[in-house]
Amino acid sequence: GAVVSQHPSWVICKSGTSVKIECRSLDFQATTMFWYRQFPKQSLMLMATSNEGSKATYEQGVEKDKFLINHASLTLSTLTVTSAHPEDSSFYICSASSGREETQYFGPGTRLLVL
Amino acid sequence: SQKIEQNSEALNIQEGKTATLTCNYTNYSPAYLQWYRQDPGRGPVFLLLIRENEKEKRKERLKVTFDTTLKQSLFHITASQPADSATYLCALTDSWGKLQFGAGTQVVVTP
Repeated sequence: GAVVSQHPSWVICKSGTSVKIECRSLDFQATTMFWYRQFPKQSLMLMATSNEGSKATYEQGVEKDKFLINHASLTLSTLTVTSAHPEDSSFYICSASSGREETQYFGPGTRLLVL
Repeated sequence: SQKIEQNSEALNIQEGKTATLTCNYTNYSPAYLQWYRQDPGRGPVFLLLIRENEKEKRKERLKVTFDTTLKQSLFHITASQPADSATYLCALTDSWGKLQFGAGTQVVVTP
């Protein structure tokens, strides 16, 4: 149980384009989903927290107009990187929580490379 | 400021031995602490959660201790196997209820 999927697993795009990443909880309802970014050899850094049906809460320093998050249902959240630039290249990971326990269940991650 | 510190150097260990990882934290008062495993290019996988009133928790070959006085958790892998090679992350919930991760310690188990 507690499986979270992400799609795509990797994406290469040109600078200036937008990229959408999907995060799905497959076997439970996720009241809260989280988006993280991880650079090589570094820890996961929380970007934003989203609750189903409400606006996401962004961490300090994360541009909400650049990283659009939608959590339209209890099983799906999307992260759209708008007007991507090479410095946005990173490993993006989502996680989901049912709210009834403290543990977060992570997706497999999406590797983004912006050329 | 709040900090979570894990050994940055990789831990190289022979198969069959016990690997011990350390997680130290400052300026946190966590009700619980979690350990995750992360393989290269993959998302973290939850392993164990230990609460402040629990001194020790076990799951198969894994053992976690939690000392709130020392502000430290130890993570042990007994009878280690090459398949245990991965990076292990310690995570705490901060004052705002958000999960914060240490940078992780890489474990390499050689046959």
